[in-house]
Amino acid sequence: DTGVSQDPRHKITKRGQNVTFRCDPISEHNRLYWYRQTLGQGPEFLTYFQNEAQLEKSRLLSDRFSAERPKGSFSTLEIQRTEQGDSAMYLCASSSVGYNQPQHFGDGTRLSIL
Amino acid sequence: AQTVTQSQPEMSVQEAETVTLSCTYDTSESNYYLFWYKQPPSRQMILVIRQEAYKQQNATENRFSVNFQKAAKSFSLKISDSQLGDTAMYFCALLRQGAQKLVFGQGTRLTINP
Repeated sequence: DTGVSQDPRHKITKRGQNVTFRCDPISEHNRLYWYRQTLGQGPEFLTYFQNEAQLEKSRLLSDRFSAERPKGSFSTLEIQRTEQGDSAMYLCASSSVGYNQPQHFGDGTRLSIL
Repeated sequence: AQTVTQSQPEMSVQEAETVTLSCTYDTSESNYYLFWYKQPPSRQMILVIRQEAYKQQNATENRFSVNFQKAAKSFSLKISDSQLGDTAMYFCALLRQGAQKLVFGQGTRLTINP
């Protein structure tokens, strides 16, 4: 069990640029989740996948955000035309399919918009 | 809609003391799960303890235990014999049965002093 891996750990970019983050879940986990955490707040749910299917999206996920999990393994989260308000920690988690399976979190990607 | 409230933004205790972190929640569901997650500085969030709402017995994990009061919608975390490594942000979270979205509180920053 190598844990959930996220890349990069930190991303600094100028407003208006596009950014993409990657998440590699625990290998046997079918479910993958993205959350956003702003300073001093708890994480907020963005979206989740079961295998390659995106089954739920939060209203926080505006049309500038897109998430994919093309082969049911790793996932990418892309933000287009970044805005100051996008500055946050983006957390990925994964879990097994089943009754009340706990979500295991990665270290997160911290995004800073200049 | 579900909400989770942690009313203590910060707490500080001496090593070896016992500390209790408060959490209240609101949900119209009868079946749900409650969690406490720990997020050490610059490290990934890890699950500390979980409670199924249909179970009356309070969950315990070594030095960590909960006081689950379903009628009062209260779910506090007690840490006994606190250690320096317990220093972290602690988040209370709620999961509706059948759902995948964790709803987090704002967090409590706990500092254990030597």
